[in-house]
Amino acid sequence: GAGVSQSPSNKVTEKGKDVELRCDPISGHTALYWYRQSLGQGLEFLIYFQGNSAPDKSGLPSDRFSAERTGGSVSTLTIQRTQQEDSAVYLCASSTTGLALRRSADTQYFGPGTRLTVL
Amino acid sequence: LAKTTQPISMDSYEGQEVNITCSHNNIATNDYITWYQQFPSQGPRFIIQGYKTKVTNEVASLFIPADRKSSTLSLPRVSLSDTAVYYCLVGDSRGSSASKIIFGSGTRLSIRP
Repeated sequence: GAGVSQSPSNKVTEKGKDVELRCDPISGHTALYWYRQSLGQGLEFLIYFQGNSAPDKSGLPSDRFSAERTGGSVSTLTIQRTQQEDSAVYLCASSTTGLALRRSADTQYFGPGTRLTVL
Repeated sequence: LAKTTQPISMDSYEGQEVNITCSHNNIATNDYITWYQQFPSQGPRFIIQGYKTKVTNEVASLFIPADRKSSTLSLPRVSLSDTAVYYCLVGDSRGSSASKIIFGSGTRLSIRP
């Protein structure tokens, strides 16, 4: 079946511009994560959506970052007034959780990422 | 949220067995231990998951002692293609009160010919 998809795959923008990054999770997955990964670094958690619950935004680095998830499916990460330090690969992952998984924790399935370059 | 500690990097040679240990002293009763692998320019992918004792699949084995405060990922007879970053995660996403599971900084494994 289809995996997690992200668009665009690459985005080059000028400092101060706004950007929108899109994530299409695996159909039926209730949980969705956004991460940021700078070159040679580990994954930095940004935001987490779980079903209809309020999102966990504890990882967003500043108020320039926001995300929404419409209809419990597609998610958009928006970065306003981009800065050069925002340059990174932005990864999205989805997972299925809940009572159906009584014997294990979720497995996150990752998209290919969006490489953002802010000039 | 249980914090994990892993070595930053490890080196080995083709054909060797590689063991990567992760410490998670504050693991909770319901937490599972999951390992992911990430190749350059790709998102992480699931390798193995366990709760206690030993789990084995076609890729790796996971050893978890009785106190569950650590775990060891074992890669048998590694090849150059096993060069990647390996992440250890601890958490519990079951049920309606599921909480996020966070990646740490990972272990960068380099395999030499």
